[in-house]
Amino acid sequence: KAGVTQTPRYLIKTRGQQVTLSCSPISGHRSVSWYQQTPGQGLQFLFEYFSETQRNKGNFPGRFSGRQFSNSRSEMNVSTLELGDSALYLCASSSIGQGAHEQYFGPGTRLTVT
Amino acid sequence: QQQVKQSPQSLIVQKGGISIINCAYENTAFDYFPWYQQFPGKGPALLIAIRPDVSEKKEGRFTISFNKSAKQFSLHIMDSQPGDSATYFCAASSNNDMRFGAGTRLTVKP
Repeated sequence: KAGVTQTPRYLIKTRGQQVTLSCSPISGHRSVSWYQQTPGQGLQFLFEYFSETQRNKGNFPGRFSGRQFSNSRSEMNVSTLELGDSALYLCASSSIGQGAHEQYFGPGTRLTVT
Repeated sequence: QQQVKQSPQSLIVQKGGISIINCAYENTAFDYFPWYQQFPGKGPALLIAIRPDVSEKKEGRFTISFNKSAKQFSLHIMDSQPGDSATYFCAASSNNDMRFGAGTRLTVKP
């Protein structure tokens, strides 16, 4: 089985712009979770989608949003980018749900905001 | 709010030695405790996981010890190898809520 894929792998944006990141889960997995990873804050949960519905959300501002399509692929959008949004954005897929089941991570998208 | 505390922040071990990483959690609702291994430029990879109904789980050189009453769990890497050099994250989750420790950078010297 192919693993979790994320595109693009690297992205450079300017403050104030918006960005869309994409995640394709492992075939058959219906849950996709998004995380932000930074040296200072570690891995922080953004949100989780299951069957096109957001099931859970972390403590991030409304500039961070996401969606999931019927084929389980997911996108994450960040509007009005700030310097502090520079991070590695990871998605993870799971066959059932985020909480009590194995999550498999993609390689991440490295976002740099200048 | 840091719900999972991980220590040490960094660890240096000689080849063949035992690496031990510790985590403590606060939320007694957590019912799944995975460990992830992350190499530079890669996403975290699930290494081993345990549920609170067992006190120990072993997979190859990797062992999780779990102490429910103390709300602590640890990862032991036996016969540590240079290829084990990576960052390790513990996590704790209840349904739809996973929290990660801050990570431990392990260096295994040849």
